[in-house]
Amino acid sequence: AQKITQTQPGMFVQEKEAVTLDCTYDTSDPSYGLFWYKQPSSGEMIFLIYQGSYDQQNATEGRYSLNFQKARKSANLVISASQLGDSAMYFCATRSGYALNFGKGTSLLVTP
Amino acid sequence: DTGVSQDPRHKITKRGQNVTFRCDPISEHNRLYWYRQTLGQGPEFLTYFQNEAQLEKSRLLSDRFSAERPKGSFSTLEIQRTEQGDSAMYLCASSSVAGVEETQYFGPGTRLLVL
Repeated sequence: AQKITQTQPGMFVQEKEAVTLDCTYDTSDPSYGLFWYKQPSSGEMIFLIYQGSYDQQNATEGRYSLNFQKARKSANLVISASQLGDSAMYFCATRSGYALNFGKGTSLLVTP
Repeated sequence: DTGVSQDPRHKITKRGQNVTFRCDPISEHNRLYWYRQTLGQGPEFLTYFQNEAQLEKSRLLSDRFSAERPKGSFSTLEIQRTEQGDSAMYLCASSSVAGVEETQYFGPGTRLLVL
């Protein structure tokens, strides 16, 4: 079974600053995918970024980038130039068969 | 292009009652998933459909839960004889690409409160 660990229950960042949200995973699958989702208070899970285990370069999507360290089984999300609208829960996930396995999430609060 | 939609968005029911939730996936997506999310946790997988076939069910899906996807379009999740422990957010997701890179797109969820 795959396991996702997000060790930061809550994080604060000032507007316009960068923030890193930690994620470590445990899998025995030779090929796997890593995902980050954002969940605002409304409840919808919003897909942010994907990293494949065989991808040579770290994934980037606009202000989101993924610091992927395969040997450490780490896939940290970096949000640059934080905005007030980035305040939300952030979940890291891997795929196991058909299902996504999620961590417990990190609550991010962006302050003015 | 419309996203995944779910109905209702909120449901309050009394213990012992039956409830049914509906999910409409993104139109060209043939894969559909149901997840449950309780307070302070990430979503947990419940079941998966490819077209109309239910291919995988989690151990979390007790015999009080049943899901259908007739004709491979919308899906329903029914909970019979609800219990207070069923109170949670029920999320539906859909996707169209097979493999580890498959991205699941989620709907807004249905919040269930069992009194």
